Amino acid sequence: GAGVSQTPSNKVTEKGKYVELRCDPISGHTALYWYRQSLGQGPEFLIYFQGTGAADDSGLPNDRFFAVRPEGSVSTLKIQRTERGDSAVYLCASSLTQSSLRSNTGELFFGEGSRLTVL
Amino acid sequence: AQRVTQPEKLLSVFKGAPVELKCNYSYSGSPELFWYVQYSRQRLQLLLRHISRESIKGFTADLNKGETSFHLKKPFAQEEDSAMYYCALGGNTGFQKLVFGTGTRLLVSP
Repeated sequence: GAGVSQTPSNKVTEKGKYVELRCDPISGHTALYWYRQSLGQGPEFLIYFQGTGAADDSGLPNDRFFAVRPEGSVSTLKIQRTERGDSAVYLCASSLTQSSLRSNTGELFFGEGSRLTVL
Repeated sequence: AQRVTQPEKLLSVFKGAPVELKCNYSYSGSPELFWYVQYSRQRLQLLLRHISRESIKGFTADLNKGETSFHLKKPFAQEEDSAMYYCALGGNTGFQKLVFGTGTRLLVSP
């Protein structure tokens, strides 16, 4: 089946604009994660969903960032009043369940990312 | 606080040479360690995790709690091993907050 799908793959916007990034996880995966990867850095945790609810949003840098997953499948990361410092690759990942991470696989399945450039 | 250190940004070796990608971590609890790999133009994917104690594509990694290390090793590097390698740390409260290192680019030359 298809892997984690993220759209758009590239987004260029101007400072102050609003941006939405979409993630379509692997079918049946209840856990969904957003990470941000800045140039030269590793992925940085933003938020984690278990089903429809945000189980942990402690990684969101400020209140300009918000994410939803209304039906427990597709998720949207929303960024208001974008700043140049928001430029990064935004990665989405999914897994079967939180508890499955303690099974033999322990695998997060990542999308290809959405590259955001704020001018 | 959880922290992962990968001291080498770039590791360049010749085909057939041994490879060791270093990873050190800082965590007060019981750690879960992973290596993720990103090949050119591909997505980030799991290579191996310490709890499985398995060898994937000839790579192994042993968790050394005394030295707080989880170095990735391969006795004979292949050109297809060229990629970006990330060490990641999860805690015993769950894996959703994987903390990644800055990554090491491995370049294997013929």
